[in-house]
Amino acid sequence: DQQVKQNSPSLSVQEGRISILNCDYTNSMFDYFLWYKKYPAEGPTFLISISSIKDKNEDGRFTVFLNKSAKHLSLHIVPSQPGDSAVYFCAASATRWGGGADGLTFGKGTHLIIQP
Amino acid sequence: KAGVTQTPRYLIKTRGQQVTLSCSPISGHRSVSWYQQTPGQGLQFLFEYFSETQRNKGNFPGRFSGRQFSNSRSEMNVSTLELGDSALYLCASSSPNSGEKLFFGSGTQLSVL
Repeated sequence: DQQVKQNSPSLSVQEGRISILNCDYTNSMFDYFLWYKKYPAEGPTFLISISSIKDKNEDGRFTVFLNKSAKHLSLHIVPSQPGDSAVYFCAASATRWGGGADGLTFGKGTHLIIQP
Repeated sequence: KAGVTQTPRYLIKTRGQQVTLSCSPISGHRSVSWYQQTPGQGLQFLFEYFSETQRNKGNFPGRFSGRQFSNSRSEMNVSTLELGDSALYLCASSSPNSGEKLFFGSGTQLSVL
């Protein structure tokens, strides 16, 4: 049973426009949510995170929104750039440090393609 | 600061063999976690080590094991390899200062023939 779901396996966005990646979760014990970016043959790179006490966190072109009542979060990238083409993973944790008892629980990823 | 280093990058084994993968965490990071990435299952948590002790374990069979040394370097071992063990094995390190963030290495791509 998937506790973190990314329902869009792929997403194509024009360069300069906004990219919106979505993620849903089922476990109400999750308190921390992270987004990772992954290029082929490389490990995931941390992008941005948010704790459950917030509903928004920004870092440059990246903003994560959290809707706890809907158990939904989204990553906005504005403006989208060619280098943003990668697989994006949503992850969740019930604890503050290193994922805790169950580690980080990951979604299966969304392949973002930025069209020139 | 050097990142998380995993060796080897690629490995080919046959069914029934065993394999050992190595991970050197970021300097100062004492927690090391291992994840398995497959196309069908995504990234799944294997186990986490802290101060040479396995602190947490995911839902994998006993053929998957690991250890951590006093310098925080970690190894994971898979015995009696099966075809389904073919995957990218990722190591991640963290510290209290990094909070919920894990820092991943580039992984070891294991192919079981």
